[in-house]
Amino acid sequence: KNQVEQSPQSLIILEGKNCTLQCNYTVSPFSNLRWYKQDTGRGPVSLTIMTFSENTKSNGRYTATLDADTKQSSLHITASQLSDSASYICVVSGGNYGGSQGNLIFGKGTKLSVKP
Amino acid sequence: DAGITQSPRHKVTETGTPVTLRCHQTENHRYMYWYRQDPGHGLRLIHYSYGVKDTDKGEVSDGYSVSRSKTEDFLLTLESATSSQTSVYFCAVKTSGGAPGETQYFGPGTRLLVL
Repeated sequence: KNQVEQSPQSLIILEGKNCTLQCNYTVSPFSNLRWYKQDTGRGPVSLTIMTFSENTKSNGRYTATLDADTKQSSLHITASQLSDSASYICVVSGGNYGGSQGNLIFGKGTKLSVKP
Repeated sequence: DAGITQSPRHKVTETGTPVTLRCHQTENHRYMYWYRQDPGHGLRLIHYSYGVKDTDKGEVSDGYSVSRSKTEDFLLTLESATSSQTSVYFCAVKTSGGAPGETQYFGPGTRLLVL
């Protein structure tokens, strides 16, 4: 069964600290993996997207890694800010480039709280 | 935000009444999607559209119907709302026809409460 599991479910860190969020998936075939940030009361916003051949992708203080062999991804946040408080969602695409829906499998998200 | 708006943003209704949610986009994207988001679940696809009058079911389509008579509008209808349809509904568009680098852009969401 195609699944995306994220850990931890929630995380509290102090402002300025780093943190790493995890995503494990069993989606096959694999096309790409995305990380989204969702602020409370808003729609998800794309942070990074990685295809099979990419190991690392950065977007400012956000760095995503992908190990396609172990089917694991991580999102590392450096020097956290209060504005990083949000849910972070891992989304894996199961291929089918010609398909409209692209077989997107969503994780349940990790809720990050950054405290002053 | 890919020019996506949703209306209404909040709605309270009673069980058994019909409800229509509207998604409007201004950038002529071909693909549009309706998702629901509930605590303890990831975003789940309800229906999607790949062109005017072209729609298909997603993972949780029971109790929902959609219509797309214009490129810019994608309507989600709950024919007879039930309490289990209390949720936050997100519309999304996809910016290309299926290349690996495409991504979805989400609207701001509609919070629906069915009493």
